[in-house]
Amino acid sequence: ETGVTQTPRHLVMGMTNKKSLKCEQHLGHNAMYWYKQSAKKPLELMFVYSLEERVENNSVPSRFSPECPNSSHLFLHLHTLQPEDSALYLCASSSSGFGEADTQYFGPGTRLTVL
Amino acid sequence: DQQVKQNSPSLSVQEGRISILNCDYTNSMFDYFLWYKKYPAEGPTFLISISSIKDKNEDGRFTVFLNKSAKHLSLHIVPSQPGDSAVYFCAASASRITVFGKGTRLSVIA
Repeated sequence: ETGVTQTPRHLVMGMTNKKSLKCEQHLGHNAMYWYKQSAKKPLELMFVYSLEERVENNSVPSRFSPECPNSSHLFLHLHTLQPEDSALYLCASSSSGFGEADTQYFGPGTRLTVL
Repeated sequence: DQQVKQNSPSLSVQEGRISILNCDYTNSMFDYFLWYKKYPAEGPTFLISISSIKDKNEDGRFTVFLNKSAKHLSLHIVPSQPGDSAVYFCAASASRITVFGKGTRLSVIA
């Protein structure tokens, strides 16, 4: 596997379910990101991890819980979501998170539908 | 309020002609600017970038221009090809935060 991979690619869940999104990067990067892309809106940064430490949390509701066990893996745990949380969730990584090294490489995304 | 704006949601260009995609930003702290391209059912892919100390960066058919005084950047694609049809996102970065525009859908017509 190369680049940034995300599983699952599609997920349908009820509002009472608990599920997790997984991201893995094979680029040797130190920073990883979760973004949300809703229809007709710009990409919204949710979480940033640098060297496995969370460095930014853009006021995301607590029903989204990230986990970064090492620099290659990033999870987004989901529980009691709302229908408006339906969106494309994108994971990205970059070498350091600073300046020109902050070029981010994206995975294909998980298309989430909350019923 | 949006810090990075792409005011044209869509653009159609004939094959072989120049495509010009525009982007405006409001925060003067941004020091690194990027363009990404996105095909349906895929994540955005990095295309080209420019540091705030430069005003132009070229890579093959793609050139990005930065006008810091106007807080404006543009992406030129010449000649445009049908495979360039995609959504193009402008992004601006400062420290660990990258802010994206809403995207412009480019259609290159054969």
